[in-house]
Amino acid sequence: GAGVSQTPSNKVTEKGKYVELRCDPISGHTALYWYRQSLGQGPEFLIYFQGTGAADDSGLPNDRFFAVRPEGSVSTLKIQRTERGDSAVYLCASSLPPTGELFFGEGSRLTVL
Amino acid sequence: DAKTTQPPSMDCAEGRAANLPCNHSTISGNEYVYWYRQIHSQGPQYIIHGLKNNETNEMASLIITEDRKSSTLILPHATLRDTAVYYCIVSGLYNQGGKLIFGQGTELSVKP
Repeated sequence: GAGVSQTPSNKVTEKGKYVELRCDPISGHTALYWYRQSLGQGPEFLIYFQGTGAADDSGLPNDRFFAVRPEGSVSTLKIQRTERGDSAVYLCASSLPPTGELFFGEGSRLTVL
Repeated sequence: DAKTTQPPSMDCAEGRAANLPCNHSTISGNEYVYWYRQIHSQGPQYIIHGLKNNETNEMASLIITEDRKSSTLILPHATLRDTAVYYCIVSGLYNQGGKLIFGQGTELSVKP
């Protein structure tokens, strides 16, 4: 497809489990972003990749959260020992710098029971 | 923290212009003003951005005051499909890379 693809669209897990969320950006986009959005709030920045490296991971809330982008394309957000407070929609976006136009996916809704 | 202030909600009649204000009094010289919107259950969508001149595209117009401390997004003929949360963001993204910091936005309701 032409847009940013995120899988799974919905994930229900139990407290303490490990979760992976995948993002497939628009082909050729070198910048990739992860955001988290809780109900009624604006998207909250987590991490930004330029190519394969994390250029800014200042938004990751703690060391349970980790993201990779090994080949500079697909990215995976990994959450260890999930907590109920991790429940949110996780949004991925990509862009072709230097423009400020980010293209967002539809998000992955994570529910931790 | 977001560097912008927006009203939490606004209403607009269908077919009329929707004027969404944004205050960004601490904007620095190399920062752009970006507008995104988010329709319910979808990812945010880019609308427009500008530095100091007014900008127009097929979706909207952006009016930035001369001192750059505030701006207005104008949807010239609002439709029911324009009902969404609108986010005003300031960032040096265009020149420097980096991230967009979203605030709470303005929830625009377009009514028939």
